[in-house]
Amino acid sequence: DGGITQSPKYLFRKEGQNVTLSCEQNLNHDAMYWYRQDPGQGLRLIYYSQIVNDFQKGDIAEGYSVSREKKESFPLTVTSAQKNPTAFYLCARKRSAGGDTQYFGPGTRLTVL
Amino acid sequence: GQQVMQIPQYQHVQEGEDFTTYCNSSTTLSNIQWYKQRPGGHPVFLIQLVKSGEVKKQKRLTFQFGEAKKNSSLHITATQTTDVGTYFCAVGGSQGNLIFGKGTKLSVKP
Repeated sequence: DGGITQSPKYLFRKEGQNVTLSCEQNLNHDAMYWYRQDPGQGLRLIYYSQIVNDFQKGDIAEGYSVSREKKESFPLTVTSAQKNPTAFYLCARKRSAGGDTQYFGPGTRLTVL
Repeated sequence: GQQVMQIPQYQHVQEGEDFTTYCNSSTTLSNIQWYKQRPGGHPVFLIQLVKSGEVKKQKRLTFQFGEAKKNSSLHITATQTTDVGTYFCAVGGSQGNLIFGKGTKLSVKP
């Protein structure tokens, strides 16, 4: 699994509901990231965390929230305020906040009905 | 902010033909990374280029970093059906994140 897991793989939610996507890593890496991917598009940064109990907004943070209470876990909540939440969500880990390679989880495909 | 342009958006080839995707930046890059995403999958790291004019090979894949460190290319020789997927270039952002090109989607006809 490349040291990073995401669950569930597919998620359906009704409009107006909040939903939380799980991301867990077991390699003791400091930095974790959440990206969103839309069809035919690259990945866009939602939130990132370089250390426990600290996180920063990315380019498209509106309608999302995160927490980093434990080093291994970085859950993403898609709130009802997110206008167009249907997308593929990818979590990534990096050993440190420096210029290392990022390794991605398998992703969660969220569909809002 | 930092941007990287990637072309073409789509490429359809016959199996055995070559394939090339290009990335361009208006600013000098410290490094560039390449990722491959299979259909339904997640991006997987292929390589990182750091030096001006660098050329790296992985079997049938050849990666180049321009002399001015503003452009890069990925060339696949004699494509196979296993090469199908979307190839992304990515550069480092100010937030420790990666900034991705929009990708080149490669389809290979057997």
